[in-house]
Amino acid sequence: QSVLTQPPSVSGAPGQRVTISCTGSSSNIGAGYDVHWYQQLPGTAPKLLIYYNNNRPSGVPDRFSGSKSGTSASLAITGLQAEDEADYYCQSYDSSLSGSVFGGGTKLTVL
Amino acid sequence: EVQLVESGGGLVQPGGSLRLSCAASGFTFSSYEMNWVRQAPGKGLEWVSYISSSGSTIYYADSVKGRFSISRDNAKNSLYLQMNSLRAEDTAVYYCARAGILQSLDYWGQGTLVTVSS
Repeated sequence: QSVLTQPPSVSGAPGQRVTISCTGSSSNIGAGYDVHWYQQLPGTAPKLLIYYNNNRPSGVPDRFSGSKSGTSASLAITGLQAEDEADYYCQSYDSSLSGSVFGGGTKLTVL
Repeated sequence: EVQLVESGGGLVQPGGSLRLSCAASGFTFSSYEMNWVRQAPGKGLEWVSYISSSGSTIYYADSVKGRFSISRDNAKNSLYLQMNSLRAEDTAVYYCARAGILQSLDYWGQGTLVTVSS
């Protein structure tokens, strides 16, 4: 299982708001390491969606936002659109492993 | 435009070796840390290895430590992953990814598929 825990799936209707959680521990998110989020559309490479907990790279719509508190982080998507249907992954650094760690991924279905 | 292009994937027998390459362009390669990340078929992302901009600092996931070796040639704008003693569980698409702000992976290649099977 992954070091960071995400729900396997979430869903929502167009226009709705969904959140994806990412739960870590005292050796990664809880130790203060930053969380980044990636979107992976079917058949494509992952794309950076949120960096440094709550910052969007150029070109990412402001419908996407991130937050972090304690040993967890969350990705929120508002105004859900059909094109948001994808897999989403959180990433952080783990001091006990001396390397990056990913969540298991969450499949977002737009109903 | 930043581009990362992986190559070298293919079918290899268990216990065999393979060397992956990642050709970088559109940025000053020697200034950036780099990573390899893999994704087994139908599974999630798994970080594999990290190398600093100069190549002096290297880290590996426990799952590949002692079998895989990351390196870079800044003069050739290239990143490499030497994979030895390959196992069936190493079957995956391997991505090279540039490390951006605070180790976020801001650019990814298209990936190269490695299949370990007899």
